[in-house]
Amino acid sequence: GAVVSQHPSRVICKSGTSVKIECRSLDFQATTMFWYRQFPKQSLMLMATSNEGSKATYEQGVEKDKFLINHASLTLSTLTVTSAHPEDSSFYICSARYTENEKLFFGSGTQLSVL
Amino acid sequence: DAKTTQPNSMESNEEEPVHLPCNHSTISGTDYIHWYRQLPSQGPEYVIHGLTSNVNNRMASLAIAEDRKSSTLILHRATLRDAAVYYCILRDSPRGDYKLSFGAGTTVTVRA
Repeated sequence: GAVVSQHPSRVICKSGTSVKIECRSLDFQATTMFWYRQFPKQSLMLMATSNEGSKATYEQGVEKDKFLINHASLTLSTLTVTSAHPEDSSFYICSARYTENEKLFFGSGTQLSVL
Repeated sequence: DAKTTQPNSMESNEEEPVHLPCNHSTISGTDYIHWYRQLPSQGPEYVIHGLTSNVNNRMASLAIAEDRKSSTLILHRATLRDAAVYYCILRDSPRGDYKLSFGAGTTVTVRA
């Protein structure tokens, strides 16, 4: 099946720094990728839709200047958490749409801890 | 998006079947029923999906009620590796964005 690789799996950073998370579709091209956030014991919350070659579409309440999304190629989308604060600590998950069968394939997630 | 309702949790013994119900009384004619599951500290993974007819794959079976207002995911022989949160999600087929909205899901516990 299609594979989505997400890196890093875990990151700890100081408050005020920026963190970049990468999401790669390894064996297929993904014109659309999605970024989710998940707090402990809660469900996934969609943050934004990332379209290759165009600006991301953010869900209501998600700050686009804080969560920068770049989808420069058909196999790579990045999420940068700028000026991270402790309340940004969360599990971030990406997914990619596999157009061959219309399924979504998810990365293994990135646990971000901001001190 | 049409809403789904699932029980918060279910328990099963290893090697016994698990039936996970999902109610979606406001489903529209073009909504597909998708199931994903999330193992601890992992991203979700696709399980199965269907529109009207029952579906089978190597992971599970999906039984869809005739009126499509409910469905049941069936794990035929639960293993410890099936312990996860199972999400029932409706996706409107004609929509181009393919966004999936996750609810609370059902937490499945498998006893050895």
